[in-house]
Amino acid sequence: GESVGLHLPTLSVQEGDNSIINCAYSNSASDYFIWYKQESGKGPQFIIDIRSNMDKRQGQRVTVLLNKTVKHLSLQIAATQPGDSAVYFCAENSVPRGKLIFGQGTELSVKP
Amino acid sequence: NAGVTQTPKFQVLKTGQSMTLQCAQDMNHEYMSWYRQDPGMGLRLIHYSVGAGITDQGEVPNGYNVSRSTTEDFPLRLLSAAPSQTSVYFCASISIGKGTEAFFGQGTRLTVV
Repeated sequence: GESVGLHLPTLSVQEGDNSIINCAYSNSASDYFIWYKQESGKGPQFIIDIRSNMDKRQGQRVTVLLNKTVKHLSLQIAATQPGDSAVYFCAENSVPRGKLIFGQGTELSVKP
Repeated sequence: NAGVTQTPKFQVLKTGQSMTLQCAQDMNHEYMSWYRQDPGMGLRLIHYSVGAGITDQGEVPNGYNVSRSTTEDFPLRLLSAAPSQTSVYFCASISIGKGTEAFFGQGTRLTVV
């Protein structure tokens, strides 16, 4: 069946350090993998996606890595800031393309 | 543009009552979805729609009904509320041209007593 899961439920980092959030997925047929950020009391917000035929994609201060061999996805945040404190979810885009399946989430806490 | 609007923001129901959670989007997105989020957990897909008149079940559809008579609106109906349906409900919409970037509403916090 379809499932997307995360290795760690919480992650605490020092301000200015780099953060790495990991995710394992099981559905090899997904054509996109996506990261979302959810701040307290709000709905999730899109961060970045990666197509299944790529292994790396960079955005502003974020990089997503995809390892299809071990079905692993990661989100790297450079120079983590207090505003990055949130819960981060990985998701996969199933068929039809609007059908998003989310993983459990990792709570990122940034210490000043 | 208002984006995705959910009403109400908070609701308390008694077991067995029915109600409809409203969701409207003004971005002309084809896809719309409903998710529930329980404490410490991710979002689980309840129902989704790929366009007006077309709906399908997600991961946890039991106890919920949906319909999509217009592109803009996608209401979620609880037929007979149960305490297990206490959760935060999120509606989302996605453009067919950007099938990964979902826009979410602010959520409806539902408590069933």
